[in-house]
Amino acid sequence: GAGVSQSPSNKVTEKGKDVELRCDPISGHTALYWYRQSLGQGLEFLIYFQGNSAPDKSGLPSDRFSAERTGGSVSTLTIQRTQQEDSAVYLCASSLAGGGGNIQYFGAGTRLSVL
Amino acid sequence: AQSVTQLDSHVSVSEGTPVLLRCNYSSSYSPSLFWYVQHPNKGLQLLLKYTSAATLVKGINGFEAEFKKSETSFHLTKPSAHMSDAAEYFCVVSGASNAGGTSYGKLTFGQGTILTVHP
Repeated sequence: GAGVSQSPSNKVTEKGKDVELRCDPISGHTALYWYRQSLGQGLEFLIYFQGNSAPDKSGLPSDRFSAERTGGSVSTLTIQRTQQEDSAVYLCASSLAGGGGNIQYFGAGTRLSVL
Repeated sequence: AQSVTQLDSHVSVSEGTPVLLRCNYSSSYSPSLFWYVQHPNKGLQLLLKYTSAATLVKGINGFEAEFKKSETSFHLTKPSAHMSDAAEYFCVVSGASNAGGTSYGKLTFGQGTILTVHP
C-alpha cells in the first residue's frame, strides 16, 4: 500500500482481555515506531524498531505491553490484561531509516476502548 | 533528554488574518524539529521539518517556521488563515542521528495547539 496501514481501526474490549494491534509500514521503510495518544497524556512514544537491532522499549508503560516486528516489516503491539487506562489511540509510524532527521509517516491509528 | 513546550493550548483567528503557533524546545543534541497537523478523526500529517540546512523552513499549505537557536524556539506561522487550517498542531523534536541512547529516532511531541478559524 501507499501509506502506513493499521488494523483494526477501532477495538472495543473488556477489562482483563488481551488485544493485538497490527501495523503494516510503508514498503522499504526500515524503522517502525509505536505511539499512544490519550486525552490526559498527549502523544507518547512507546517503542522503536530499526532493522535487526534490538528495539528501544523505553516508552512502554508496563510489562503488560509488548511488541514484535516480524521479518523486518509488519509489527504487532500486544496489550495483556487490558485496563481502562489503556484506552487511547495507538499510532504506528514508519520512516525510511532510523535517526532523528528522518520523516515519520503515520497511520490513521487504532482507537482502543477498554470497558 | 528532549522536550517540547507549546505555549498556547488554543489559538483562535479570523479567516484571512495571520497565524502564529508558538513552540519552545529543549534538546541535549542538535535537534531535528517538525510540525505535524491532525485534522479531526484523521492521522498526523507532516507540515514541515527543520534539520539544520536553513533556519527558515517552508512547508505545505503556506505554513513556515523559523528555527531560532538563541531562543530555543520553532514557531509556526502563516500569513493568512483559511477555514481548512482548523485542526490541532503538534510541535515535535527528535534526537540527532548521532545522538545515540534512547533519544535516537523517537519523536517527543508537544501537548498540541488547537487552531480555530472564524469566518
